[in-house]
Amino acid sequence: QSALTQPASVSGSPGQSITISCTGTSSDVGSYNLVSWYLQHPGKAPKLIISEGTQRPSGFSHRFSGSKSGNTASLTISGLQAEDEADYYCCSYTSSDTWVFGGGTKLTVL
Amino acid sequence: EVQLVESGGGLVQPGRSLRLSCAASGFTFDDYAMHWVRQAPGKGLEWVSVISWNSGSIGYADSVKGRFTISRDNAKNSLYLQMKSLRPEDMALYYCAKSFCGSASCFPDYWGQGTLVTVSS
Repeated sequence: QSALTQPASVSGSPGQSITISCTGTSSDVGSYNLVSWYLQHPGKAPKLIISEGTQRPSGFSHRFSGSKSGNTASLTISGLQAEDEADYYCCSYTSSDTWVFGGGTKLTVL
Repeated sequence: EVQLVESGGGLVQPGRSLRLSCAASGFTFDDYAMHWVRQAPGKGLEWVSVISWNSGSIGYADSVKGRFTISRDNAKNSLYLQMKSLRPEDMALYYCAKSFCGSASCFPDYWGQGTLVTVSS
């Protein structure tokens, strides 16, 4: 159960778009449309922002979108805002009937 | 409104046991699977365990298999995590999370605020 691979940090200026990658294997990301993404502000609980690879929770900002290609899932945030600064985690179901998270990516809004 | 309130954390010596609880409200508890996820201080999220709506399907991370036991009491709207043979590396904030559906193959959608487990002599 190795953690999914995410970049440790990404940054962007307000209004720009950024993409965070999440690379797994054919036993997790590559086999299921069950990748979810979470954001976590310091000292707060994680919050779901994308489920099943591409689905946004009801009422959530359209600035957040998800995609997948092969063993890599991606989260794109467009029109960056200061409040988007947070840690972002991907999560995938695995062929072992377990779940695995990515190591997390710290987003800095310059 | 979904509410998940974890309790039972605290300071425990290596090798000892601890039982965490999660009280759920705001949704029909016995319709949904539940997860435990932990976060060591300054570190990322680590999935720990999942239990389906009827306890028929249970999964554990390799790091806790054989030492931790997840269970639920649908009559009490409560989720539990029995932790034995605790190690310093088990020290973390433990989150209870509701699943999107009743199956263990459903992702976490709502999270509690966590309960802190400290393992130290």
